[in-house]
Amino acid sequence: EVQLVESGGGVVQPGGSLRLSCAASGFTFSYFAMSWVRQAPGKGLEWVSGIGGSGGDTSYADSVQGRFTISRDNSKDTLYLEMNSLRAEDTAVYYCASHQITLIRGGPFDDWGQGTLVTVSS
Amino acid sequence: DIQMTQSPSSLSASVGDRVTITCRASQTINGFLNWYQQKPGEAPKFLIHAASILQSGVPSRFSGSGSETDFTLTINSLQPEDFATYYCQQSYNTPLTFGQGTKLEI
Repeated sequence: EVQLVESGGGVVQPGGSLRLSCAASGFTFSYFAMSWVRQAPGKGLEWVSGIGGSGGDTSYADSVQGRFTISRDNSKDTLYLEMNSLRAEDTAVYYCASHQITLIRGGPFDDWGQGTLVTVSS
Repeated sequence: DIQMTQSPSSLSASVGDRVTITCRASQTINGFLNWYQQKPGEAPKFLIHAASILQSGVPSRFSGSGSETDFTLTINSLQPEDFATYYCQQSYNTPLTFGQGTKLEI
């Protein structure tokens, strides 16, 4: 059974930093691309960033480009999101999601974690 | 960026009804269209990929169709557990983008 477990969320002041983690199990982690998708309170889904299976290909939404960094450790089956210069509008539940294929493009998000809440507030 | 527009934004229906949700892409996405269901307080659930291919375990009352820029999700004979918010998403190109969601209510 596929499991994706996010951690690292919390309350942070504007301008602060936070690192999210997503521990994966139940599948061959290194084969598949992974993404972070967020959902602000009462709002829709927004893709934040994705990374290919090998880790060599990354992509970001314009809203986080230059502030967030996605990475993965295939030896630990873990996905990360380093978030810097956080803003109030980054407040959201952050989900990690696995792709069906090794590429970021071309396939759906087929499994999702339960999410971790990030609140940016002074 | 590819914009995804869903309609309607909300929809009232009854158990047993047939409903259709539409998703339009701002440019052709070559069938790289996926659908998700989300219930309050839960993570999204993957339903359909490549416009019309049902994920394993998804009831056959769900179906998807479309090509180029226009796509539909149809739910036949609505069940109580189907009342949720539905999102389309294109995986043709980055940034990957979602529609704004359609809330299906009783």
